[in-house]
Amino acid sequence: GENVEQHPSTLSVQEGDSAVIKCTYSDSASNYFPWYKQELGKRPQLIIDIRSNVGEKKDQRIAVTLNKTAKHFSLHITETQPEDSAVYFCAASEDNYGQNFVFGPGTRLSVLP
Amino acid sequence: DVKVTQSSRYLVKRTGEKVFLECVQDMDHENMFWYRQDPGLGLRLIYFSYDVKMKEKGDIPEGYSVSREKKERFSLILESASTNQTSMYLCASSPRGLENEQYFGPGTRLTVT
Repeated sequence: GENVEQHPSTLSVQEGDSAVIKCTYSDSASNYFPWYKQELGKRPQLIIDIRSNVGEKKDQRIAVTLNKTAKHFSLHITETQPEDSAVYFCAASEDNYGQNFVFGPGTRLSVLP
Repeated sequence: DVKVTQSSRYLVKRTGEKVFLECVQDMDHENMFWYRQDPGLGLRLIYFSYDVKMKEKGDIPEGYSVSREKKERFSLILESASTNQTSMYLCASSPRGLENEQYFGPGTRLTVT
């Protein structure tokens, strides 16, 4: 089955700097890669996603890149702000009927003022 | 606005008790999921269901069962709770089809003493 690894487990950056979180996956059949943000005490929420036929996707300060050959994808946050502090989870999903995701273990991002 | 609700935010049960965790979604989603979230392990899929009365095992189904008698409701059952089932339990739902966002409930923090 699919296995998703995520690094680093914790990340601290100064406000205004960039943050990068990397994930690798094992199943070459996976073709959909969402990123979820979970603020303290709240539910995970989707912030960006990418499909296997796309190499990069941007949404304002957030971007995701995908390298299918190497089986890794990354989340990039530019001009970080204190409200970006949260736990971020990557996930991989295969093209299947049930649409079940395999999540990475999470990265706790702290943006220091 | 999608709403996924869970019956309890906090629950304390004794070892050996039968525990029911209820999840209800109001968006007519076909797919529903139960995860447990533990520090450093991310979100791990317990069971999912892609239709009424249908269920599929996830990555860690041992010690759990589920019930989907109605489309909007997905129940997680711990037949005989054990201390290693102390965790945060998250329910999610998504519409049928590929690459659809999973909407999460607020979570139930279960403590088994």
